[in-house]
Amino acid sequence: EIVLTQSPGTLSLSPGERATLSCRASQSVSSSYLAWYQQKPGQAPRLLIYGASSRATGIPDRFSGSGSGTDFTLTISRLEPEDFAVYYCQQYGSSAMYTFGQGTKLEIK
Amino acid sequence: QVQLQESGPGLVKPSETLSLTCTVSGGSISSYYWSWIRQYPGKGLEWIGYIYSSGNTNYNPSLKSRVTISVDTSKNQFSLKLSSVTAADTAVYYCARGAASSGYCLGYWGQGTLVTVSS
Repeated sequence: EIVLTQSPGTLSLSPGERATLSCRASQSVSSSYLAWYQQKPGQAPRLLIYGASSRATGIPDRFSGSGSGTDFTLTISRLEPEDFAVYYCQQYGSSAMYTFGQGTKLEIK
Repeated sequence: QVQLQESGPGLVKPSETLSLTCTVSGGSISSYYWSWIRQYPGKGLEWIGYIYSSGNTNYNPSLKSRVTISVDTSKNQFSLKLSSVTAADTAVYYCARGAASSGYCLGYWGQGTLVTVSS
């Protein structure tokens, strides 16, 4: 089973700043099968990025994804107040299973 | 606009079977992968399993012995059964849609339903 480790656990930043979130896999992951989600309190996760770097429909271009192999990054170029939430990476891989990272909480500094 | 809605009992007794249904509206259930995911209170996400519209299934090995996912294409619904539940199964349960064309990412989610296991 592939384990996804996200860092940092909590990231404290101010609106307007740049956020860089990391997702590291225990073994190589196909970029095609790496996604990022945003979750706000009381809501279901929302797809942000799929295929490691493709933005989902309606997602602002301040969100971008990059990476390959075992290291992937979600970048939010300029934080808006509504961006403070928990972010999860997810992979679909061997054995046709989904696994999620443990999440990074992005909080207002 | 595709919408998913979970339904089922919010309270289940220990040792009994948790049963949930996800109703899909605004789109066909055909040609997609339909997953169940759960989230413990204040914690991360755990994938339970999925069913393809043809009926093929795949389950999380950690839950495989207790999980059954089925699909009713005539009703545009799919269902989850989790047997022999304990308090450790208390969580918010989500249904979601995955598409092979977009790397199996989960593009649509239900709002989630809290299931509490308690006597």
